[in-house]
Amino acid sequence: GENVEQHPSTLSVQEGDSAVIKCTYSDSASNYFPWYKQELGKRPQLIIDIRSNVGEKKDQRIAVTLNKTAKHFSLHITETQPEDSAVYFCAAPPRGGGYNKLIFGAGTRLAVHP
Amino acid sequence: DGGITQSPKYLFRKEGQNVTLSCEQNLNHDAMYWYRQDPGQGLRLIYYSQIVNDFQKGDIAEGYSVSREKKESFPLTVTSAQKNPTAFYLCASSIGRDIPSGTEAFFGQGTRLTVV
Repeated sequence: GENVEQHPSTLSVQEGDSAVIKCTYSDSASNYFPWYKQELGKRPQLIIDIRSNVGEKKDQRIAVTLNKTAKHFSLHITETQPEDSAVYFCAAPPRGGGYNKLIFGAGTRLAVHP
Repeated sequence: DGGITQSPKYLFRKEGQNVTLSCEQNLNHDAMYWYRQDPGQGLRLIYYSQIVNDFQKGDIAEGYSVSREKKESFPLTVTSAQKNPTAFYLCASSIGRDIPSGTEAFFGQGTRLTVV
């Protein structure tokens, strides 16, 4: 079936360290890969996305890398801060694409300790 | 705040009763979605709609129904046929119009449904 696998499910780091979350997808035709952050009790919000015509995109302390050959993409957070603590979801279009529909990973709970 | 509103925030219902969750957006988005969120399982798609008067089943549509009579509104009914309805439900919208490259989805604040 269609799925997006996300690892790890939980991640604990010290403030100032880097955090990396990885997702794999199944459809080689997929071309849009967003990352959402959900703070406790709040709605998911887009933090960064990447399209298949680029291999990397950065926005201040966060970056996303895409390996189309291996069909995986990763979220990198540098110089982590306590406010980065949240659940992070990756997503990708389903097999066959189209209709702007996204399949989400199971999420990674990131804890940044002061 | 975000242009997409879900109500109510918390909902309690007795087992066997149908219940309808509201979702309204003023972003002029064509596409709207309902997701269910359970601990450790991410966001699972229940139903989605790309245009008024049309909607499609997602991965876990059994026991749910929707309507899309207006562009702004996409209510979700949790029926008595849904075997495990207690969950956190999230509504989302995006520009849609069959943009295969994908665009940002904007989420509502969610409704936590508890069936007792």
